[in-house]
Amino acid sequence: DIQMTQSPSSLSASVGDRVAITCRASQNIRMYVNWYQKKPGKAPKLLISAASSLQVGVPSRFSGSGSGTDFILTIRSLQSEDFATYYCQQSYNPPQTFGQGTRVE
Amino acid sequence: EVQLVESGGGLEQPGRSLRLSCVASGFKFADSAMHWVRQIPGKGLEWVSGISWNSGSTAYEASVKGRFTISRDNARNSLYLQMNSLTPEDTALYYCAKGQLPGLAESYGLDVWGQGTTVTVSS
Repeated sequence: DIQMTQSPSSLSASVGDRVAITCRASQNIRMYVNWYQKKPGKAPKLLISAASSLQVGVPSRFSGSGSGTDFILTIRSLQSEDFATYYCQQSYNPPQTFGQGTRVE
Repeated sequence: EVQLVESGGGLEQPGRSLRLSCVASGFKFADSAMHWVRQIPGKGLEWVSGISWNSGSTAYEASVKGRFTISRDNARNSLYLQMNSLTPEDTALYYCAKGQLPGLAESYGLDVWGQGTTVTVSS
């Protein structure tokens, strides 16, 4: 199975900061990485699919990059509503594994 | 409105079975792969199982393989997860989610999620 390793596991940031979360796959998964935002008591929300495709309605301060094994989710200017846990997920081959999550606090 | 509604969760004893259901509305269910994802309390997201648009392909996370069975009924816009031989480690909030593409491999993200149904396995 493909392992997805996220870093850091948590980070402390302030409104207006630029935040970067990395995700490394255990093998080449081309561009098949997706990023989700998860808040307590809410269902996960898909932010970015296929490494860099911003979903409709997601603010443009979110962006994704990378291919192969290394991927990055960037939040350009952190807003108060962005404090949450973020997960990467590979959809190259099932089982479609998630990273362990990055808590932004 | 695009919606997924899960049901079937509850308290069950170890070794027993539960069947989760998910009813879809507002989109063409038969065109999409469907998935179950769970979150153990205080832990991260864990992909559990997926099924392609026509049931031709299914996949499972290692710890549930052989115990859980995913299925779908496109005529009823419904997804199911038969969970047998439950263990306390299966205690979690189970989400139903829609894949953006019909298949399970070389696919995109999960763009529609239900609110989840809670499964508790305890004696």
